[in-house]
Amino acid sequence: DVKVTQSSRYLVKRTGEKVFLECVQDMDHENMFWYRQDPGLGLRLIYFSYDVKMKEKGDIPEGYSVSREKKERFSLILESASTNQTSMYLCASERGGTTDTQYFGPGTRLTVL
Amino acid sequence: DAKTTQPPSMDCAEGRAANLPCNHSTISGNEYVYWYRQIHSQGPQYIIHGLKNNETNEMASLIITEDRKSSTLILPHATLRDTAVYYCIVTLAGANSKLTFGKGITLSVRP
Repeated sequence: DVKVTQSSRYLVKRTGEKVFLECVQDMDHENMFWYRQDPGLGLRLIYFSYDVKMKEKGDIPEGYSVSREKKERFSLILESASTNQTSMYLCASERGGTTDTQYFGPGTRLTVL
Repeated sequence: DAKTTQPPSMDCAEGRAANLPCNHSTISGNEYVYWYRQIHSQGPQYIIHGLKNNETNEMASLIITEDRKSSTLILPHATLRDTAVYYCIVTLAGANSKLTFGKGITLSVRP
């Protein structure tokens, strides 16, 4: 069974703080993704990575950066958190290739005060 | 630019089949239909996918029309735990493809 874990289920930060969200997968998957989910807007892709040290912007990358130093770990960074980044953040991993089954973590609910 | 259209919600009785429709009239020949679901407060979960043939697994069946412009996800015996948001997604399969989640359909299973 694929397991995707995220460092926190709930996080509260203050405006201007630097925030790190960590995601780890245990299935040697090539591809990893960060989404945010907001009521009425569905899931929106922030960044994804298809290899170590590789990253590509998703649909809403502004205000975020990512890091993938090791294959199993994909970090989302909020350089200076703002209140409009209060959201549910979901990480996913995927083997890549001809089947695109993404496996999601449980999510991190981030509140920025 | 939504590739799929789903009704916002539906309900069904526990133990009955739940048939969830999806329209994807602009699907191209090499695009797959994927279904995921998201139970409240959890991450999305893969259910099933298909290209043109009908598919079945331990969770559900996927029926794709011959012209591939629509599909139906069937949960044969819905339980209360199947209450969730179900997402129908059309995507190219292959390296680095991205999934675009729409708003999905909220299925409520009533006792």
